[in-house]
Amino acid sequence: DIQMTQSPSSLSASVGDRVTITCRASQSISSYLNWYQQKPGKAPKLLIYAASSLQSGVPSRFSGSGSGTDFTLTISSLQPEDFATYYCQQSYSPVVTFGGGTKVEIK
Amino acid sequence: EVQLVESGGGLVQPGGSLRLSCAASGFTFSSYEMNWVRQAPGKGLEWVSYISSSGSTIYYADSVKGRFTISRDNAKNSLYLQMNSLRAEDTAVYYCARDIRKVRGVIIGSSFDYWGQGTLVTVSS
Repeated sequence: DIQMTQSPSSLSASVGDRVTITCRASQSISSYLNWYQQKPGKAPKLLIYAASSLQSGVPSRFSGSGSGTDFTLTISSLQPEDFATYYCQQSYSPVVTFGGGTKVEIK
Repeated sequence: EVQLVESGGGLVQPGGSLRLSCAASGFTFSSYEMNWVRQAPGKGLEWVSYISSSGSTIYYADSVKGRFTISRDNAKNSLYLQMNSLRAEDTAVYYCARDIRKVRGVIIGSSFDYWGQGTLVTVSS
């Protein structure tokens, strides 16, 4: 199975900060990479698909980049509602795998 | 409005069985692939199983292969997960998720655009 490694596992940031989360695949997955946001007690929400395409309704402060094995999710100006856990997910293989998650907390 | 509503979770003893259901509405269920994804308490997301729109193609995570069976009834707009030989490590919230494998004709692989609210399965004696 393809292993997905996210870093950092957690971070503290302030409202207005630029935040970057990294996801690395154990083998090349082209651009088959998605990002999700999950708030406590809620289902995950798709933010970015195909590495850099913004899902409908998602604010433009979220962006994704990368291809091959290295990917990033960037929040250009962190808002109060963005404090959550973020997961990457590879969609290259029929056996889907998620990263371990990055918890974004208030500094 | 797209809605996915899971049911069937609960407390079960190790070695027991449980059947989860996911009722879909607000979209043409028979046109979409579907998945089950679970999340153990305080842990990350783990994909469990995939089923194609017709039910002809199915995949499982190694952790559940041989014990869980995914199925669907397109006439009833419903997705199912039959879970047998349950273990403590199967304790989790189970989500059903709609799969959009193609966007504007471009294949993007399994990507989950709608999720249910989840149903909790607890395996304990």
